[in-house]
Amino acid sequence: AQSVSQHNHHVILSEAASLELGCNYSYGGTVNLFWYVQYPGQHLQLLLKYFSGDPLVKGIKGFEAEFIKSKFSFNLRKPSVQWSDTAEYFCAVIRVNAGGTSYGKLTFGQGTILTVHP
Amino acid sequence: EPEVTQTPSHQVTQMGQEVILRCVPISNHLYFYWYRQILGQKVEFLVSFYNNEISEKSEIFDDQFSVERPDGSNFTLKIRSTKLEDSAMYFCASRGGQGRHQPQHFGDGTRLSIL
Repeated sequence: AQSVSQHNHHVILSEAASLELGCNYSYGGTVNLFWYVQYPGQHLQLLLKYFSGDPLVKGIKGFEAEFIKSKFSFNLRKPSVQWSDTAEYFCAVIRVNAGGTSYGKLTFGQGTILTVHP
Repeated sequence: EPEVTQTPSHQVTQMGQEVILRCVPISNHLYFYWYRQILGQKVEFLVSFYNNEISEKSEIFDDQFSVERPDGSNFTLKIRSTKLEDSAMYFCASRGGQGRHQPQHFGDGTRLSIL
């Protein structure tokens, strides 16, 4: 069965610090990868996604992530965080079937709470 | 931007009672999902639904759980006889059918508290 692990449970940064949140998955086949963000009191929102092509993907609000297939990793980065980035971040994986489609379930990591101090 | 909406936002129910959680997926979406998150734990997949039938379910989704799309717009999750361990945040998600690469869009969740 596939699984996703996020390395940090809680990250605390000051504004303008750089951010990197680790995500590793275990599945040998083709996957689609996602980062979702959940701001306090809000729903899960898609931050960015990787389906194929350039392994460096850019998302909303200055976030980017790099897919490194050999390391089964999809780490999230932001060069300079803001107080408004305080939220919980979830990495998620979905298997791609033989036909190249991904209608199935998302498997989530346990989430990383990011607290940014002004 | 269209959204997935869930009601109620918080449901408190006595153990053993039936509960129905409601979701209105994005209108042209074809794939529907329920996930749950027990406090402090991962978001877990429960069930996926397509073309009026369950396409996949997890081991959590036992005989006490059922899903229904009664009227072409709502997508409901029913728990027949709730247990304390059913207390969790339940998320509904939907996905479009056009194109191979579509993300799942999530609702705000329903917090279910079993007493």
